[in-house]
Amino acid sequence: GQNIDQPTEMTATEGAIVQINCTYQTSGFNGLFWYQQHAGEAPTFLSYNVLDGLEEKGRFSSFLSRSKGYSYLLLKELQMKDSASYLCAVRDFQTGANNLFFGTGTRLTVIP
Amino acid sequence: GAVVSQHPSWVICKSGTSVKIECRSLDFQATTMFWYRQFPKQSLMLMATSNEGSKATYEQGVEKDKFLINHASLTLSTLTVTSAHPEDSSFYICSARDSGRAGIGYEQYFGPGTRLTVT
Repeated sequence: GQNIDQPTEMTATEGAIVQINCTYQTSGFNGLFWYQQHAGEAPTFLSYNVLDGLEEKGRFSSFLSRSKGYSYLLLKELQMKDSASYLCAVRDFQTGANNLFFGTGTRLTVIP
Repeated sequence: GAVVSQHPSWVICKSGTSVKIECRSLDFQATTMFWYRQFPKQSLMLMATSNEGSKATYEQGVEKDKFLINHASLTLSTLTVTSAHPEDSSFYICSARDSGRAGIGYEQYFGPGTRLTVT
């Protein structure tokens, strides 16, 4: 099975940096994804990690440590539009279809 | 970029009726599509994996006779909620895997979702 944990809510100030952590336990790890989801909308892809280390894409970076079952999403220079839920998802090759399993999501509120 | 559409975007139906939701990959072929359900302030829960030309694979706890899935072509999967009840009210989201980009990390693309309200 899969066990994915994230903080439920976070608040940060516009212009600041915020780190959203995700821990996971899965039997057939085959990659970790971060998605952004605004209320009432579908998730949009942010980043993908399958090897240990940091992946940087503009204001967003994602880190993975497979040995620790740990990832974080780093958001820099926060903007008001970054207020959204951030979903950590793990792909599991043992499910046969490389299914994605999602954490509960972290609701980020950016304040002025 | 790869686009996935869903229809309808929202639907209200009476208890006991059936509702069909369509998921289409518009500019790529998808042998595999996924159906998720999301309740308010909760994350996405995988309901089933839809496979073109074969039966869907359902996750534990999801009633296959209640949530009928048909994946008749490489660009279309449908989810039919049969005999809907108020507790089925939720946000249903599909995603499609681009068959031509298998193995690449982010090959799963999400539709915009369908909000179902059962009265």
